[in-house]
Amino acid sequence: SQTIHQWPATLVQPVGSPLSLECTVEGTSNPNLYWYRQAAGRGLQLLFYSVGIGQISSEVPQNLSASRPQDRQFILSSKKLLLSDSGFYLCAWSVLGTGDYEQYFGPGTRLTVT
Amino acid sequence: GQQLNQSPQSMFIQEGEDVSMNCTSSSIFNTWLWYKQDPGEGPVLLIALYKAGELTSNGRLTAQFGITRKDSFLNISASIPSDVGIYFCAGQMRGNTPLVFGKGTRLSVIA
Repeated sequence: SQTIHQWPATLVQPVGSPLSLECTVEGTSNPNLYWYRQAAGRGLQLLFYSVGIGQISSEVPQNLSASRPQDRQFILSSKKLLLSDSGFYLCAWSVLGTGDYEQYFGPGTRLTVT
Repeated sequence: GQQLNQSPQSMFIQEGEDVSMNCTSSSIFNTWLWYKQDPGEGPVLLIALYKAGELTSNGRLTAQFGITRKDSFLNISASIPSDVGIYFCAGQMRGNTPLVFGKGTRLSVIA
């Protein structure tokens, strides 16, 4: 069966510090991968998605970036965090095929920028 | 970008009552999905719908793909305390494009 991992689970970082959040998927190949941010427990904002290694689409211009160094690994980064980057970050995967376009979410990372 | 209008924003119901929520759009969608999110966790997929008019159940949950393909409905029968959470609808306009999410319905169940 497929599983998705995110780490760390929680993170407190000062303004201006760098960020690296990691997401890995097990039990599937060539997944589409997604990064979302959720503020105040409501609404999912799509940040980035990737349909393959090295292929990243950005949905919202900001100081965040994403990379996909391996098929089942997706990384969210920032060189300098802003207060507004605080939120709940969710990674998700999906696989094209019959009856699919369904996205499955990871447990999330709670980021607090102080 | 595309938007989904999800209503109501929040609901307070008595345990045992039935719940209805819906999601509408001005655009046609090929897929409708319903998720539930518990506090501090990632959303969990409840039901996926792929055909206009389709009615699908998952235990006490029933969801329908609107015949116009511009809306979807989720019903929960005989609510229980563990139904508390935020319910999100999501739609996909065509293959291999990102899902569009509604803003969620926050459900509270009073025992």
